[in-house]
Amino acid sequence: AQRVTQPEKLLSVFKGAPVELKCNYSYSGSPELFWYVQYSRQRLQLLLRHISRESIKGFTADLNKGETSFHLKKPFAQEEDSAMYYCALKDSSYKLIFGSGTRLLVRP
Amino acid sequence: EADIYQTPRYLVIGTGKKITLECSQTMGHDKMYWYQQDPGMELHLIHYSYGVNSTEKGDLSSESTVSRIRTEHFPLTLESARPSHTSQYLCASSEPGQGGNTIYFGEGSWLTVV
Repeated sequence: AQRVTQPEKLLSVFKGAPVELKCNYSYSGSPELFWYVQYSRQRLQLLLRHISRESIKGFTADLNKGETSFHLKKPFAQEEDSAMYYCALKDSSYKLIFGSGTRLLVRP
Repeated sequence: EADIYQTPRYLVIGTGKKITLECSQTMGHDKMYWYQQDPGMELHLIHYSYGVNSTEKGDLSSESTVSRIRTEHFPLTLESARPSHTSQYLCASSEPGQGGNTIYFGEGSWLTVV
């Protein structure tokens, strides 16, 4: 079955600390994975996708097929990074399957 | 400006009422989606459409219905609302893009059924 798991509901770190938001997936084919972010009072928006291999706002995510993971990382968290983060998997029908989300709280 | 719009943003209605949540996008996207999200929970796909006159049910069973008569418009209707329908409803659209599918979301419609 296709599934995306984000084990942490809340991750709280201090400003300047490294951040890793965990995401594991279950998918029989070749996965396409995304991270979406929702800042307070804003709509859900794309942060990055594994195909692009890009760094957005200092965040990176590497697809590890052996561990079926797509963890989101940032070496030095900023207060403006506080938001809700969702990992998502695109299935063969172009639909996105979302994880339950992780709230990141960056404290000053 | 190219965007995806949802109305109403917030709605409180009584049990048994019929409601329609509107969704329009000005990006010319073929694919459109409705997701349902309870607070603090994951998003569940309830309906999707790949184009005009195409509608499919999503992974989560829903008593709502949708229509796609025009490319830009994808309304969701509840014939008889119940308290269990209280939730946030997110509309989204997409087109195949470089490196994969980018899905754009509306701001959401918060529905409360009392």
